[in-house]
Amino acid sequence: DGGITQSPKYLFRKEGQNVTLSCEQNLNHDAMYWYRQDPGQGLRLIYYSQIVNDFQKGDIAEGYSVSREKKESFPLTVTSAQKNPTAFYLCASSPRDRGLSGANVLTFGAGSRLTVL
Amino acid sequence: GENVEQHPSTLSVQEGDSAVIKCTYSDSASNYFPWYKQELGKGPQLIIDIRSNVGEKKDQRIAVTLNKTAKHFSLHITETQPEDSAVYFCAARDTGFQKLVFGTGTRLLVSP
Repeated sequence: DGGITQSPKYLFRKEGQNVTLSCEQNLNHDAMYWYRQDPGQGLRLIYYSQIVNDFQKGDIAEGYSVSREKKESFPLTVTSAQKNPTAFYLCASSPRDRGLSGANVLTFGAGSRLTVL
Repeated sequence: GENVEQHPSTLSVQEGDSAVIKCTYSDSASNYFPWYKQELGKGPQLIIDIRSNVGEKKDQRIAVTLNKTAKHFSLHITETQPEDSAVYFCAARDTGFQKLVFGTGTRLLVSP
């Protein structure tokens, strides 16, 4: 079955450590996204990538980094510079953006919950 | 950029009642409005969407209405069932960056 796989599902980190969250999709989607979910704040965009080897900052990119070396993979690194990293992280993908007349239907993974101890 | 507001934040109904969740958006050029359902511990899933050239869309017990003049859109769930209990997110497509901007979510609880 096609879908998005995020790992790990749960992750604990000590302050000052970098951690990397994995996101892999087999939907042949061009675009991939990382969202952060906090209680009462909905989904906020961290980074997105429309094509391999290219990515853009979202609304809350500070303290995060990404790479897009393969179409299937879009890992997110939460660095020690992120002041409040405890959150639920969601990866999503969509077909290539078809412009104003189209629609980017997102398919989400099951999420990764990061807790900083 | 686009800003989406969603109300209410929590909604409790009895099984069989109807539920309505409302969202407003700021960018009059936005043209795509999806609704996602998120069950506990899972990622959101698209349940219905509407484009700006349509005023209403139905899919069995769920429907979405769009008022472009007032810049608001609503999700209607009829004959609610306990399995409808979840967090629902609305979103609007930001034409400037061509990405989705989400509302803050509504936790729907359907009691048997």
